Amino acid sequence: AQTVTQSQPEMSVQEAETVTLSCTYDTSESNYYLFWYKQPPSRQMILVIRQEAYKQQNATENRFSVNFQKAAKSFSLKISDSQLGDTAMYFCAFMKVSGSRLTFGEGTQLTVNP
Amino acid sequence: GAVVSQHPSWVICKSGTSVKIECRSLDFQATTMFWYRQFPKQSLMLMATSNEGSKATYEQGVEKDKFLINHASLTLSTLTVTSAHPEDSSFYICSAKNPGRSTDTQYFGPGTRLTVL
Repeated sequence: AQTVTQSQPEMSVQEAETVTLSCTYDTSESNYYLFWYKQPPSRQMILVIRQEAYKQQNATENRFSVNFQKAAKSFSLKISDSQLGDTAMYFCAFMKVSGSRLTFGEGTQLTVNP
Repeated sequence: GAVVSQHPSWVICKSGTSVKIECRSLDFQATTMFWYRQFPKQSLMLMATSNEGSKATYEQGVEKDKFLINHASLTLSTLTVTSAHPEDSSFYICSAKNPGRSTDTQYFGPGTRLTVL
């Protein structure tokens, strides 16, 4: 079974600064997908970024980028130039290539302060 | 496209009654949809995987007779909470895969808040 761990229940950052959210996972699979989703106060789950494990290059989406360390089973999310709208619960998630179910971490509540 | 809607967005019902929640993929056909439950300040817990035209696959510990799932078309899945009790109060979220866009990414509905009195 896969597990996803987010060890930071809460984090805060000043507007315009950079913040990194941590995620580690455990799996015996060699190929899989990793995701970061955000859930703002509206509670709508929004895909932030995805990474395919067989790709060594770290995924980037505008101000969001990941540091994917496959050997260490680490998948951190870096948010640059933080904005007030980035305030949300962030979930790291894992999915096997051969499967369809997502395994979520416990979440990190990020607050961006003005 | 990858828009998923849910209806209703919130519902209050009396204990013992049944409540139906709809999940629709608005601009794509979804052969697979998922139902999650989320308690306040907690993560999403997968309840079941719904496949169009077949029986849903329930996660361990989820009562399939209490949480009835129907996926009768490629754009609609329903979750019916039967004989609801206060402990069923929660936030229910559905998601769907858009195979025409990505085989791995799930797109989520806005959720339904259920309160059982």
